[in-house]
Amino acid sequence: GEDVEQSLFLSVREGDSSVINCTYTDSSSTYLYWYKQEPGAGLQLLTYIFSNMDMKQDQRLTVLLNKKDKHLSLRIADTQTGDSAIYFCAWDGYSTLTFGKGTMLLVSP
Amino acid sequence: EADIYQTPRYLVIGTGKKITLECSQTMGHDKMYWYQQDPGMELHLIHYSYGVNSTEKGDLSSESTVSRIRTEHFPLTLESARPSHTSQYLCASSDPGSGNQETQYFGPGTRLLVL
Repeated sequence: GEDVEQSLFLSVREGDSSVINCTYTDSSSTYLYWYKQEPGAGLQLLTYIFSNMDMKQDQRLTVLLNKKDKHLSLRIADTQTGDSAIYFCAWDGYSTLTFGKGTMLLVSP
Repeated sequence: EADIYQTPRYLVIGTGKKITLECSQTMGHDKMYWYQQDPGMELHLIHYSYGVNSTEKGDLSSESTVSRIRTEHFPLTLESARPSHTSQYLCASSDPGSGNQETQYFGPGTRLLVL
């Protein structure tokens, strides 16, 4: 199977940019995803990127994909307290998605 | 907005009881999934289904069972609950017919506590 690695915790101040990183060991997938999980809730799809793209921007979110280094990142501009949540990267495989272990983002006022 | 529902949202039950966690989706998606999420955040795939009458075991061995008699419904059953089953259970669905075929939409989860 594939391994998807994420740093476990990130703390930022409100208004700063947040960068959440994800590395993986297999490159056979077509799409890479970012999901957000707020406390007590399920996962919410934030954005996704096609594997032949390097970058995708969606309002405050910027996704960067470096296929050579097998590295994916999610940048959140002007981070707000409402962005505090767990963020999962995910990669499609043979029959389902593989999820990273999640990064807990804490935004302080 | 995804239309996928899970009931109950919270369940406290004694050891040895049989329980069924419900999951329904109104999007007509063929594929459905069950994940177990431990307190350390990591998601573990325990069951999935390609469509009606299809059930597959996931990456994590589980004492639960699933059924898929209707497209919209994918219940998960524990015949005899144990404290080790205490966890959050997340249901998801996806539409393999779409271009972004593995995009999964999640329900709100069921938080289970077995005493």
